[in-house]
Amino acid sequence: AQTVTQSQPEMSVQEAETVTLSCTYDTSESDYYLFWYKQPPSRQMILVIRQEAYKQQNATENRFSVNFQKAAKSFSLKISDSQLGDAAMYFCAYRSPFTGNQFYFGTGTSLTVIP
Amino acid sequence: ETGVTQTPRHLVMGMTNKKSLKCEQHLGHNAMYWYKQSAKKPLELMFVYSLEERVENNSVPSRFSPECPNSSHLFLHLHTLQPEDSALYLCASSQDQLNSPLHFGNGTRLTVT
Repeated sequence: AQTVTQSQPEMSVQEAETVTLSCTYDTSESDYYLFWYKQPPSRQMILVIRQEAYKQQNATENRFSVNFQKAAKSFSLKISDSQLGDAAMYFCAYRSPFTGNQFYFGTGTSLTVIP
Repeated sequence: ETGVTQTPRHLVMGMTNKKSLKCEQHLGHNAMYWYKQSAKKPLELMFVYSLEERVENNSVPSRFSPECPNSSHLFLHLHTLQPEDSALYLCASSQDQLNSPLHFGNGTRLTVT
């Protein structure tokens, strides 16, 4: 089974600064999708950004962007101009085309934003 | 109302009780999921239903029993639970295609006493 690793249990960033959350995964597949989810204290997991493995261009969504390194199996999330509302747990997830409905999640990174 | 709705938001139950968690999605998706979220662990997939048929059951104990009467509704029936079953239970839905993300509900915080 695919594994997703988030090696930073906790991170902190000063408000308005930039922070990068790391994610690596293990797979032998060539096509797949990667996702970053945010889980604030309200508990609802919210999709932040997604990336298809076949696309070389890194996905961006406003202040959120990814650094996708397919050969290194790395999928980091960069948050620019951090805001207090960005404080949350962030989860990296992998979706395989061969296990269809299976999503594999990392253990999460807790992000604190310091005013 | 849009999105994925879960009820109840909190549930405290004794080990001999029987209760049910409910999930409803208004997104027109054809797959629904139950996940268990415990501290310091990855999300654990419990059950997946695609087009109302169960396609995944990750060795979940029989004290958890899912039910999917239609593509919009999903239940998790609970009976004779153990204290270690205390966790956040998340329902999610998606389209059955690779680029479709999961859409989650707010979860039910379950405490087994």
